[in-house]
Amino acid sequence: GAGVSQSPRYKVAKRGQDVALRCDPISGHVSLFWYQQALGQGPEFLTYFQNEAQLDKSGLPSDRFFAERPEGSVSTLKIQRTQQEDSAVYLCASITSSGSGTQYFGPGTRLLVL
Amino acid sequence: GNSVTQMEGPVTLSEEAFLTINCTYTATGYPSLFWYVQYPGEGLQLLLKATKADDKGSNKGFEATYRKETTSFHLEKGSVQVSDSAVYFCALTGALNTGNQFYFGTGTSLTVIP
Repeated sequence: GAGVSQSPRYKVAKRGQDVALRCDPISGHVSLFWYQQALGQGPEFLTYFQNEAQLDKSGLPSDRFFAERPEGSVSTLKIQRTQQEDSAVYLCASITSSGSGTQYFGPGTRLLVL
Repeated sequence: GNSVTQMEGPVTLSEEAFLTINCTYTATGYPSLFWYVQYPGEGLQLLLKATKADDKGSNKGFEATYRKETTSFHLEKGSVQVSDSAVYFCALTGALNTGNQFYFGTGTSLTVIP
């Protein structure tokens, strides 16, 4: 596709539910990032993939958060037993391997946990 | 650690006014610096970037100069338009030992009134 796409765009979950957020990066982009953006804040790094390998997951806030990219393209961010503090916009970004440094962002998934 | 500090908003300007949004950074190594813009309901879009000291990034009338001596990357535009109303994020990447991870400021909301 022309850009990074994410689904769903909006998700409402009851506290304790599991959710799965999907990211389709730009075709051919090797690296993929997940960020969490709280209301009124800048995006904060969660995790990073190069192809199917998860090279950095230092930003995941708890072991309830899990991300995967099994075939090196589409990625899923899963949040288990959601809590109200998980409410945020979850952004996905991809980057070529060219080293230009520019990340291309998807529109985000807005998660609201009630 | 690596961080970005940008001017707090919100900023409200009249059309054709001069815009400055301050951004300073702390980073090890030689990062690349970026301004991203987020229009209402949309994802982050790259506005401009600079990859080394004294480089000037420019796009759509906006510009910012990478100043290593003052660790700054202030965003400027000579004459803003209503369509420039958005949230602006300063960011860096490529700091030492951080790979492609981005560090974002908290964002500055700009509203331009006719």
